[in-house]
Amino acid sequence: DAKTTQPNSMESNEEEPVHLPCNHSTISGTDYIHWYRQLPSQGPEYVIHGLTSNVNNRMASLAIAEDRKSSTLILHRATLRDAAVYYCILKGNAGGTSYGKLTFGQGTILTVHP
Amino acid sequence: KAGVTQTPRYLIKTRGQQVTLSCSPISGHRSVSWYQQTPGQGLQFLFEYFSETQRNKGNFPGRFSGRQFSNSRSEMNVSTLELGDSALYLCASSQTSVAWEQFFGPGTRLTVL
Repeated sequence: DAKTTQPNSMESNEEEPVHLPCNHSTISGTDYIHWYRQLPSQGPEYVIHGLTSNVNNRMASLAIAEDRKSSTLILHRATLRDAAVYYCILKGNAGGTSYGKLTFGQGTILTVHP
Repeated sequence: KAGVTQTPRYLIKTRGQQVTLSCSPISGHRSVSWYQQTPGQGLQFLFEYFSETQRNKGNFPGRFSGRQFSNSRSEMNVSTLELGDSALYLCASSQTSVAWEQFFGPGTRLTVL
């Protein structure tokens, strides 16, 4: 599995934007970039995913570099509820060893200050 | 629609015993994946089942096994428990093995004494 690199921790103030970076220099052409987050005492939850183009949904935006070697998860207005560990994950869709498997790294611990 | 449920939520066992954990996926989901989460190793993939067949397996010893029933409910079993098996065990369901979104349950916290 291709590796991702994220900062160990980041801090933000409530109602400010947050940009969470992820480096994935060995990404393959068929790898999708997924983001999940894990709130305290809960299982991970899906945030967003993309392949090449920037993506937006109700939770966040995903900005993908043109060479796909890095991406940024953008929370437009952080709330206290966004405090969580954010995981950037590369997932192929070729089947076989990718079936049902998410490869989690250490993630970024996001702290949101009131 | 009900989410993924896992039972029991907490479990305490002693070394050498075996344990069975249960996972009920979201209705209509046929893929169930299992993960182990520990402070040292983070979240690690155990295995995935789809239509009662194991389709993928992580790098865990044979003491870890699983199965899936015709209603997509899944169980995982750990035999001959070791102290290092203490962890949060999470299951996740999705519509297919290649679906882009997995829905996680709250996990079962296993403590091995």
